[in-house]
Amino acid sequence: KNEVEQSPQNLTAQEGEFITINCSYSVGISALHWLQQHPGGGIVSLFMLSSGKKKHGRLIATINIQEKHSSLHITASHPRDSAVYICVYGGSQGNLIFGKGTKLSVKP
Amino acid sequence: DTAVSQTPKYLVTQMGNDKSIKCEQNLGHDTMYWYKQDSKKFLKIMFSYNNKELIINETVPNRFSPKSPDKAHLNLHINSLELGDSAVYFCASSQMPVNEQFFGPGTRLTVL
Repeated sequence: KNEVEQSPQNLTAQEGEFITINCSYSVGISALHWLQQHPGGGIVSLFMLSSGKKKHGRLIATINIQEKHSSLHITASHPRDSAVYICVYGGSQGNLIFGKGTKLSVKP
Repeated sequence: DTAVSQTPKYLVTQMGNDKSIKCEQNLGHDTMYWYKQDSKKFLKIMFSYNNKELIINETVPNRFSPKSPDKAHLNLHINSLELGDSAVYFCASSQMPVNEQFFGPGTRLTVL
């Protein structure tokens, strides 16, 4: 049975810190997604990746297919980055498995 | 200009009632989804339709019935509402299954 494990579950950081959120899965993947859910509830797709690395502003997502592991990094964190970050596994059959999310709080 | 829209945004109703939530996307996507986010904030996929055909149907009560009249719409009908159905329901769409998803603003359902 494939499972998606995210860590940490909760993360508190000071403004400016470098942040890493981890996601691991157990079965071969088609695509790995990172979502951001704002405190107000809205959900935004940050990245979809199947190999290598992607960068968007201060956000970087990496995936290691061999190790079945992905990381989301935030450089120079800011209070507005406070949100829940969710890792989503996408399988070749179109199935989706969600991680439980990482609640990030960045203090000024 | 809203890419994925849901109506209503809030829905308060009594136990036992039947209600529908509508979802529309104007992105030309082929795949649409319904998710439930419970009080613990965990997102769970309920259904996925690709080109109006059901492709994912997780274990949800059969009181929940999705209806896709066309590729741009995926409505969720819930019969005999129960207290445990209270949650936020999100609709989403993507070009193809597993592709990047675009989420609607959510519908907060409260069953009294």
